[in-house]
Amino acid sequence: IAGITQAPTSQILAAGRRMTLRCTQDMRHNAMYWYRQDLGLGLRLIHYSNTAGTTGKGEVPDGYSVSRANTDDFPLTLASAVPSQTSVYFCASSDNGHEQYFGPGTRLTVT
Amino acid sequence: QKEVEQNSGPLSVPEGAIASLNCTYSDRVSQSFFWYRQYSGKSPELIMSIYSNGDKEDGRFTAQLNKASQYVSLLIRDSQPSDSATYLCAVNNGDSNYQLIWGAGTKLIIKP
Repeated sequence: IAGITQAPTSQILAAGRRMTLRCTQDMRHNAMYWYRQDLGLGLRLIHYSNTAGTTGKGEVPDGYSVSRANTDDFPLTLASAVPSQTSVYFCASSDNGHEQYFGPGTRLTVT
Repeated sequence: QKEVEQNSGPLSVPEGAIASLNCTYSDRVSQSFFWYRQYSGKSPELIMSIYSNGDKEDGRFTAQLNKASQYVSLLIRDSQPSDSATYLCAVNNGDSNYQLIWGAGTKLIIKP
């Protein structure tokens, strides 16, 4: 692994279903982030984690949850997907809040 | 509400010319400033970071920072068609240094 990986690359999900987006980094960065990007709205922060064992809410946290059991992994869970959660989801990491580096993204469609 | 403002564009520049991208920010205590490039369908890629007033050059890219005016710019010299992308400006959140405040991006088109 080099950098940040995300899985799946894309997913079509029925409304009401539960879904976990996976994110793994191998740079030993302490901070990790989940963003969603919608056309015309730019990047919006969903949740973040400054260090393993801690998480915080971003700008648009409703309907999403995260966990940070270790340094490398930061999964994002949609407990009961709704069509408004159709978006492209990016995971990012940084070393003590400096430059953020992004994974390739997950394109999610909720029908 | 802390904001980062960018002209959405599209900004059209002839190949070989200088492309100038601008960004203003509202958080007076921001200390770190970043430019990202995002190709269509891809993730943002860091191209420049700047922390001090003045210019910082890296190849064909120059970042300019003026903290008094709360203004950051990115110049791309000898623009190439491969520079066509959306450019995102980001500044650190002074209340939470681990977070960035993002502009919505400027779409740049380099015309051959």
